Amino acid sequence: QKEVEQDPGPLSVPEGAIVSLNCTYSNSAFQYFMWYRQYSRKGPELLMYTYSSGNKEDGRFTAQVDKSSKYISLFIRDSQPSDSATYLCAMSGPNDYKLSFGAGTTVTVRA
Amino acid sequence: DVKVTQSSRYLVKRTGEKVFLECVQDMDHENMFWYRQDPGLGLRLIYFSYDVKMKEKGDIPEGYSVSREKKERFSLILESASTNQTSMYLCASSLSRRELFFGEGSRLTVL
Repeated sequence: QKEVEQDPGPLSVPEGAIVSLNCTYSNSAFQYFMWYRQYSRKGPELLMYTYSSGNKEDGRFTAQVDKSSKYISLFIRDSQPSDSATYLCAMSGPNDYKLSFGAGTTVTVRA
Repeated sequence: DVKVTQSSRYLVKRTGEKVFLECVQDMDHENMFWYRQDPGLGLRLIYFSYDVKMKEKGDIPEGYSVSREKKERFSLILESASTNQTSMYLCASSLSRRELFFGEGSRLTVL
């Protein structure tokens, strides 16, 4: 079993829809949770970062962490074609240098 | 802006060749990483370095080695390339353990 599970999709939605992405994990030591966005033929870039449980909002993006269920989510409201990318969840423990990544979910927002 | 530059975007090598992938960062970051990215598997850590001349094995170090002679430069070496090393290779640097800055990737094909 992988340490971080993420549905690879692909996910195709019409412009303006809400996109819902999620990851589950098995390591209860994880405390830092991140979402990276990767456009085609580019490296990933950090989109959202959350510490421990709770919600975090940044514009159209909301990240949620439920440590009791070992489940994290990313919501994109009013999705735009420019949101078309692969979204990777990542997480780490308190003393880790390395991040554990999900496989990534490819999202296409249709105009 | 942080810039992580990978010297080659696309390489084609033959089985048994020695391959060098170079990565340079311009933000004086302590930590540097090499990942490989494969469909359905996400990003897997090959090696990382938290200081000059220091290196640590990641999850899949077999068949690879690294060199970090200067703080800004981290090289990945495939001593004898094999077809199962065909992949996208991503270099990253970070100041904290949370936000990684990635290069654009080097797509290696081994024939």
